[in-house]
Order: sequence, then structure tokens, then C-alpha cells
Amino acid sequence: DQQVKQNSPSLSVQEGRISILNCDYTNSMFDYFLWYKKYPAEGPTFLISISSIKDKNEDGRFTVFLNKSAKHLSLHIVPSQPGDSAVYFCAASGENTDKLIFGTGTRLQVFP
Amino acid sequence: DAGVIQSPRHEVTEMGQEVTLRCKPISGHDYLFWYRQTMMRGLELLIYFNNNVPIDDSGMPEDRFSAKMPNASFSTLKIQPSEPRDSAVYFCASSLLSGRNQPQHFGDGTRLSIL
Repeated sequence: DQQVKQNSPSLSVQEGRISILNCDYTNSMFDYFLWYKKYPAEGPTFLISISSIKDKNEDGRFTVFLNKSAKHLSLHIVPSQPGDSAVYFCAASGENTDKLIFGTGTRLQVFP
Repeated sequence: DAGVIQSPRHEVTEMGQEVTLRCKPISGHDYLFWYRQTMMRGLELLIYFNNNVPIDDSGMPEDRFSAKMPNASFSTLKIQPSEPRDSAVYFCASSLLSGRNQPQHFGDGTRLSIL
């Protein structure tokens, strides 16, 4: 039973355009969300996070949007660069827990 | 500073053999997490420790899996006996405080293949 779902296994975007990666969750107790980026043969690295008290958090080219009523969050990358090609994992956690629940990941390919 | 160090990077062994995966967390980190990555289920949390004490092992798939953290700088994940369905990439991660509000730092993983 996947509590965090990334329904698009892959996404292909042209360099310079916007990349939008989506994530849905089912547990209404989740109140903190993170995105991790993973290159081949490496471990995931933290990218950006958002608390449920916000609906947007921005860090340079990366912006995460949270829609609590829809239980949906998205990661926007503008402009996309070839170095952004990686697998992106969405993760969530709830109060009173140290655990992160990860999605299955979306492979982003940015082509010239 | 050294990151999380996992060994071995690759392990190929026959079904029924014992497998031991090792992890050295970042010095000073209080939390250590073991994950398994598969195509179907993504990153699954197997077990995590706080100050060397196992807190939640509900993700450990069955009794064939066990994990220990004898001190703050070392942890092991053991599979005995191993089965082909255990083939996956296993990651160790550590964080300074709770992984919830602090980024978890991952090692580069152990790719395990059980023949």
C-alpha cells in the first residue's frame, strides 16, 4: 500500500524548458514533504522540502508546491539543465515520527 | 568531511548464503536508517536507530533480516539465509537530528544480487 505515489515513472524535457514532477499522498497526517535527487550509482541527495503550513517553497531553479486539499505536491525546475537528469524521489513524514515514506521515483531526462 | 560509507559496493552470492552489509554513518549523527530500493516499491525503510538503539523495525521483511548498531560509528544489516527476491540496492543513511526535519545523508548503496 503506497502512501506516497509518483505515477509517472519517467519524464523527458528539453533543456531550458520547465520540468514538472508530481507526487500524490494518501495519509492526511503527513505534514512535511521532501524531494531527493539520485544519480546512477550514487545515493539520493536532499534537494528541497516544504512544511504543510506553506504552499510554496523556492530555492533557486527549484520550487515545490503543496496542495493539501488535493494531497498533491509538485516540483518545478526552471530552466531545466542536462545536469538535472536524474531520478527524483518524493518523501513525506508525519508528526511524532522520524520516518520518511518515499515514493517510487520519477526518472527525468533533460535533452539538449 | 567523509559522508556515509557503505561496504561492499557490490555483492553477488548464491541463494542460501549469509550476506552482511556494512555502514559507517557521518560522525556525530544521531540517527541511522537502512533502506532497500526496488523498481516496484521505490525506497523502503527497513529499520532505523536513534543513538544506537533500534526504534522501528516494522519495515524488515521477515526474520531472515537483522540489523545491529554496536556503536555510534558502525551498523550492519544481515540476511540469513539469502533468497533471490532479496536482490536490490540497499542504502544506509544518517542524520544529525530526526530525519523528519533534517536531511538524511545517504551512502552510495550496496547492490546485492542473489543467484
